[in-house]
Amino acid sequence: AQSVAQPEDQVNVAEGNPLTVKCTYSVSGNPYLFWYVQYPNRGLQFLLKYITGDNLVKGSYGFEAEFNKSQTSFHLKKPSALVSDSALYFCAVPDRRSYIPTFGRGTSLIVHP
Amino acid sequence: EPEVTQTPSHQVTQMGQEVILRCVPISNHLYFYWYRQILGQKVEFLVSFYNNEISEKSEIFDDQFSVERPDGSNFTLKIRSTKLEDSAMYFCASSESAGLSDEQYFGPGTRLTVT
Repeated sequence: AQSVAQPEDQVNVAEGNPLTVKCTYSVSGNPYLFWYVQYPNRGLQFLLKYITGDNLVKGSYGFEAEFNKSQTSFHLKKPSALVSDSALYFCAVPDRRSYIPTFGRGTSLIVHP
Repeated sequence: EPEVTQTPSHQVTQMGQEVILRCVPISNHLYFYWYRQILGQKVEFLVSFYNNEISEKSEIFDDQFSVERPDGSNFTLKIRSTKLEDSAMYFCASSESAGLSDEQYFGPGTRLTVT
Protein backbone atom coordinates (compact mmCIF):
# COMPACT_ATOMS: atom_id res chain seq x y z
CA ALA A 1 0.00 0.00 0.00
CA GLN A 2 1.09 3.54 -0.68
CA SER A 3 1.94 5.60 2.38
CA VAL A 4 3.65 8.79 3.47
CA ALA A 5 5.14 9.75 6.80
CA GLN A 6 5.67 13.20 8.26
CA PRO A 7 8.11 12.75 11.13
CA GLU A 8 7.57 16.17 12.72
CA ASP A 9 4.37 17.31 14.43
CA GLN A 10 5.61 20.88 14.49
CA VAL A 11 8.28 22.98 12.84
CA ASN A 12 9.25 26.38 14.19
CA VAL A 13 11.17 28.89 12.10
CA ALA A 14 11.90 32.59 12.27
CA GLU A 15 10.53 34.86 9.57
CA GLY A 16 13.05 35.31 6.77
CA ASN A 17 14.79 31.99 7.45
CA PRO A 18 14.54 29.00 5.15
CA LEU A 19 12.03 26.33 6.07
CA THR A 20 11.80 22.59 5.47
CA VAL A 21 8.83 20.34 6.19
CA LYS A 22 9.73 16.68 5.86
CA CYS A 23 7.91 13.85 4.14
CA THR A 24 9.06 10.33 3.34
CA TYR A 25 7.16 7.91 1.17
CA SER A 26 6.66 4.22 0.59
CA VAL A 27 5.18 3.38 -2.81
CA SER A 28 5.24 0.66 -5.40
CA GLY A 29 6.21 1.81 -8.85
CA ASN A 30 6.86 5.40 -9.83
CA PRO A 31 5.76 7.79 -7.10
CA TYR A 32 3.18 10.51 -7.46
CA LEU A 33 3.44 12.86 -4.49
CA PHE A 34 1.52 15.91 -3.37
CA TRP A 35 1.71 18.69 -0.80
CA TYR A 36 -1.39 20.41 0.54
CA VAL A 37 -1.68 23.31 3.01
CA GLN A 38 -4.48 23.96 5.48
CA TYR A 39 -4.78 27.50 6.79
CA PRO A 40 -6.82 28.07 9.98
CA ASN A 41 -10.55 27.48 9.43
CA ARG A 42 -10.01 26.59 5.78
CA GLY A 43 -9.99 23.42 3.72
CA LEU A 44 -6.89 21.84 2.27
CA GLN A 45 -5.32 23.71 -0.62
CA PHE A 46 -3.14 22.10 -3.27
CA LEU A 47 0.45 23.42 -3.24
CA LEU A 48 2.43 21.27 -5.64
CA LYS A 49 2.95 17.78 -6.97
CA TYR A 50 5.66 15.50 -8.29
CA ILE A 51 4.81 13.31 -11.25
CA THR A 52 8.04 12.76 -13.13
CA GLY A 53 10.96 14.77 -14.44
CA ASP A 54 12.84 17.41 -12.47
CA ASN A 55 13.50 16.52 -8.86
CA LEU A 56 12.82 20.11 -7.80
CA VAL A 57 9.15 20.97 -8.14
CA LYS A 58 7.91 24.54 -7.84
CA GLY A 59 4.49 25.36 -6.48
CA SER A 60 2.26 28.10 -5.12
CA TYR A 61 3.30 30.89 -2.72
CA GLY A 62 7.02 30.41 -3.36
CA PHE A 63 7.10 26.82 -2.10
CA GLU A 64 9.11 24.09 -3.73
CA ALA A 65 9.71 20.44 -2.97
CA GLU A 66 12.68 18.22 -3.58
CA PHE A 67 12.11 14.65 -4.67
CA ASN A 68 14.91 12.31 -3.59
CA LYS A 69 14.53 8.74 -4.82
CA SER A 70 17.47 7.29 -2.88
CA GLN A 71 16.16 8.70 0.40
CA THR A 72 12.48 8.16 -0.53
CA SER A 73 11.78 11.72 0.53
CA PHE A 74 9.74 14.64 -0.77
CA HIS A 75 10.56 17.54 1.53
CA LEU A 76 8.75 20.85 1.21
CA LYS A 77 10.97 23.94 1.23
CA LYS A 78 10.87 27.69 1.02
CA PRO A 79 13.94 29.93 0.94
CA SER A 80 12.47 32.68 3.13
CA ALA A 81 9.56 32.02 5.49
CA LEU A 82 6.71 34.47 6.06
CA VAL A 83 4.50 34.68 9.17
CA SER A 84 1.57 34.06 6.82
CA ASP A 85 3.04 30.65 5.94
CA SER A 86 2.01 29.43 9.41
CA ALA A 87 -0.41 26.57 8.72
CA LEU A 88 -0.79 22.79 8.66
CA TYR A 89 1.03 21.03 5.85
CA PHE A 90 0.05 17.61 4.53
CA CYS A 91 2.00 15.31 2.29
CA ALA A 92 -0.15 12.88 0.25
CA VAL A 93 0.18 9.92 -2.09
CA PRO A 94 -2.62 8.54 -4.30
CA ASP A 95 -3.66 4.92 -4.21
CA ARG A 96 -2.63 3.26 -7.45
CA ARG A 97 -6.01 1.62 -8.01
CA SER A 98 -8.55 4.13 -6.72
CA TYR A 99 -6.41 7.31 -7.06
CA ILE A 100 -7.72 8.39 -3.64
CA PRO A 101 -4.99 10.24 -1.73
CA THR A 102 -3.67 9.02 1.60
CA PHE A 103 -2.56 11.94 3.71
CA GLY A 104 0.24 12.15 6.21
CA ARG A 105 -0.68 13.18 9.73
CA GLY A 106 0.27 16.79 9.03
CA THR A 107 2.99 19.12 10.25
CA SER A 108 2.18 22.39 11.94
CA LEU A 109 4.48 25.12 10.67
CA ILE A 110 4.86 28.11 12.96
CA VAL A 111 6.74 31.11 11.62
CA HIS A 112 7.76 33.58 14.32
CA PRO A 113 8.07 37.31 13.54
CA GLU B 1 -11.23 31.73 -8.62
CA PRO B 2 -13.93 29.06 -8.28
CA GLU B 3 -14.19 27.44 -4.84
CA VAL B 4 -15.87 24.52 -3.17
CA THR B 5 -18.38 25.77 -0.61
CA GLN B 6 -19.88 23.95 2.36
CA THR B 7 -22.80 24.63 4.67
CA PRO B 8 -23.21 24.90 7.55
CA SER B 9 -19.81 25.83 8.90
CA HIS B 10 -20.72 24.36 12.29
CA GLN B 11 -23.47 21.89 13.16
CA VAL B 12 -24.34 20.79 16.67
CA THR B 13 -26.65 17.81 17.01
CA GLN B 14 -27.76 15.32 19.61
CA MET B 15 -26.73 11.69 19.47
CA GLY B 16 -29.17 9.66 17.38
CA GLN B 17 -30.27 12.58 15.22
CA GLU B 18 -29.87 12.74 11.47
CA VAL B 19 -27.66 15.41 9.92
CA ILE B 20 -27.14 16.50 6.34
CA LEU B 21 -23.96 18.27 5.36
CA ARG B 22 -24.07 20.22 2.15
CA CYS B 23 -21.45 21.01 -0.44
CA VAL B 24 -21.38 22.86 -3.74
CA PRO B 25 -18.44 21.55 -5.77
CA ILE B 26 -16.69 23.55 -8.47
CA SER B 27 -19.10 23.71 -11.39
CA ASN B 28 -17.12 21.92 -14.12
CA HIS B 29 -15.82 19.19 -11.82
CA LEU B 30 -17.10 15.64 -12.25
CA TYR B 31 -15.65 13.83 -9.22
CA PHE B 32 -16.76 14.49 -5.67
CA TYR B 33 -15.43 13.35 -2.34
CA TRP B 34 -16.07 13.48 1.39
CA TYR B 35 -13.33 13.31 3.98
CA ARG B 36 -13.32 13.71 7.73
CA GLN B 37 -10.73 14.90 10.20
CA ILE B 38 -11.17 14.10 13.85
CA LEU B 39 -9.52 16.77 15.98
CA GLY B 40 -5.76 16.35 15.95
CA GLN B 41 -5.84 13.34 13.65
CA LYS B 42 -5.30 12.57 10.00
CA VAL B 43 -7.58 13.51 7.14
CA GLU B 44 -9.49 10.30 6.33
CA PHE B 45 -11.27 9.42 3.10
CA LEU B 46 -14.95 8.55 3.36
CA VAL B 47 -16.40 8.26 -0.13
CA SER B 48 -16.02 9.28 -3.74
CA PHE B 49 -18.85 9.88 -6.20
CA TYR B 50 -18.91 10.00 -9.97
CA ASN B 51 -21.65 9.83 -12.57
CA ASN B 52 -24.33 9.74 -9.86
CA GLU B 53 -22.96 6.76 -8.05
CA ILE B 54 -20.44 5.88 -5.38
CA SER B 55 -17.13 4.90 -6.95
CA GLU B 56 -15.15 4.18 -3.79
CA LYS B 57 -15.86 4.08 -0.08
CA SER B 58 -13.80 3.43 3.00
CA GLU B 59 -14.50 1.21 5.99
CA ILE B 60 -15.68 4.29 7.86
CA PHE B 61 -18.50 4.82 5.36
CA ASP B 62 -20.96 2.29 6.80
CA ASP B 63 -24.74 2.05 6.50
CA GLN B 64 -25.18 5.15 8.65
CA PHE B 65 -23.75 7.27 5.87
CA SER B 66 -25.17 8.12 2.47
CA VAL B 67 -24.37 10.61 -0.27
CA GLU B 68 -26.52 12.22 -2.88
CA ARG B 69 -26.34 14.73 -5.67
CA PRO B 70 -29.94 15.93 -5.59
CA ASP B 71 -29.54 18.52 -8.34
CA GLY B 72 -26.88 19.84 -10.68
CA SER B 73 -24.96 21.72 -8.02
CA ASN B 74 -25.29 20.25 -4.53
CA PHE B 75 -23.54 17.20 -3.10
CA THR B 76 -24.70 16.04 0.31
CA LEU B 77 -23.51 13.71 3.05
CA LYS B 78 -26.18 12.31 5.36
CA ILE B 79 -25.51 10.65 8.67
CA ARG B 80 -28.66 8.81 9.69
CA SER B 81 -28.17 8.37 13.41
CA THR B 82 -25.22 10.29 14.73
CA LYS B 83 -22.86 8.90 17.35
CA LEU B 84 -20.49 10.78 19.62
CA GLU B 85 -17.55 9.49 17.59
CA ASP B 86 -18.93 11.16 14.45
CA SER B 87 -17.79 14.49 15.89
CA ALA B 88 -15.22 15.74 13.41
CA MET B 89 -14.52 18.22 10.67
CA TYR B 90 -16.06 17.05 7.40
CA PHE B 91 -14.50 18.22 4.16
CA CYS B 92 -16.01 18.05 0.72
CA ALA B 93 -13.68 18.02 -2.28
CA SER B 94 -14.03 17.93 -6.03
CA SER B 95 -11.79 17.36 -9.02
CA GLU B 96 -12.07 17.77 -12.76
CA SER B 97 -10.65 14.32 -13.39
CA ALA B 98 -9.47 11.47 -11.20
CA GLY B 99 -6.06 10.08 -11.98
CA LEU B 100 -2.77 9.60 -10.20
CA SER B 101 -1.65 13.12 -11.04
CA ASP B 102 -4.90 14.97 -10.31
CA GLU B 103 -5.23 17.28 -7.36
CA GLN B 104 -8.45 17.84 -5.47
CA TYR B 105 -10.06 21.08 -4.37
CA PHE B 106 -11.38 21.20 -0.83
CA GLY B 107 -14.11 23.19 0.82
CA PRO B 108 -13.64 24.97 4.16
CA GLY B 109 -15.30 22.15 6.08
CA THR B 110 -18.25 21.63 8.39
CA ARG B 111 -17.48 21.11 12.05
CA LEU B 112 -19.93 18.51 13.36
CA THR B 113 -20.35 18.29 17.11
CA VAL B 114 -22.46 15.43 18.46
CA THR B 115 -23.56 15.79 22.08
